[in-house]
Amino acid sequence: DTAVSQTPKYLVTQMGNDKSIKCEQNLGHDTMYWYKQDSKKFLKIMFSYNNKELIINETVPNRFSPKSPDKAHLNLHINSLELGDSAVYFCASSQVGGGASTDTQYFGPGTRLTVL
Amino acid sequence: AQTVTQSQPEMSVQEAETVTLSCTYDTSESDYYLFWYKQPPSRQMILVIRQEAYKQQNATENRFSVNFQKAAKSFSLKISDSQLGDAAMYFCAYIPYSGAGSYQLTFGKGTKLSVIP
Repeated sequence: DTAVSQTPKYLVTQMGNDKSIKCEQNLGHDTMYWYKQDSKKFLKIMFSYNNKELIINETVPNRFSPKSPDKAHLNLHINSLELGDSAVYFCASSQVGGGASTDTQYFGPGTRLTVL
Repeated sequence: AQTVTQSQPEMSVQEAETVTLSCTYDTSESDYYLFWYKQPPSRQMILVIRQEAYKQQNATENRFSVNFQKAAKSFSLKISDSQLGDAAMYFCAYIPYSGAGSYQLTFGKGTKLSVIP
């Protein structure tokens, strides 16, 4: 069983388009995240949701909007895509607080976004 | 702000030999967790090992072990009996204890490990 899944795994699109990436976790975790990995492999947090509430919103353009319909899903919608948005986007989840195995983040397989 | 530094952008090791990847971090917190993640060419982020800062004992997972030096803020990863499948990018990561209200993983820039047959 896949713990954290993302769709699609690859996304190629034109500048100016709007696209979404979906993420689902079946680990029963209460916190989900989006990270961006740039061309130099550097990973940086974009958003974090705890129990469907936004708790981290790093400095990302407001063209990026996360949506969490329930604790198991955190989708990323991107408006007016730009060349600089090309990257790998990772979803992750964790159970925050309270025990030996908590605070460990488990990652999805990543979505490689290419903007032409 | 917390920072994580991996000073070795690339390393190589002969198959069956041992290699150590370095990581240092900076924090004013006393309770936190440290991780090593592996990213093979498939790009999946795989958890290798985890260390709680309050534990003095170094974590081990099969061929992987860490040398955690809290006072020096150092967290190195040792891979013993290296295998071809160990070839990957390795990321060191830090997160403060969630009771502090922060959920953000801070990553180092990674070390690319090559395994020579």
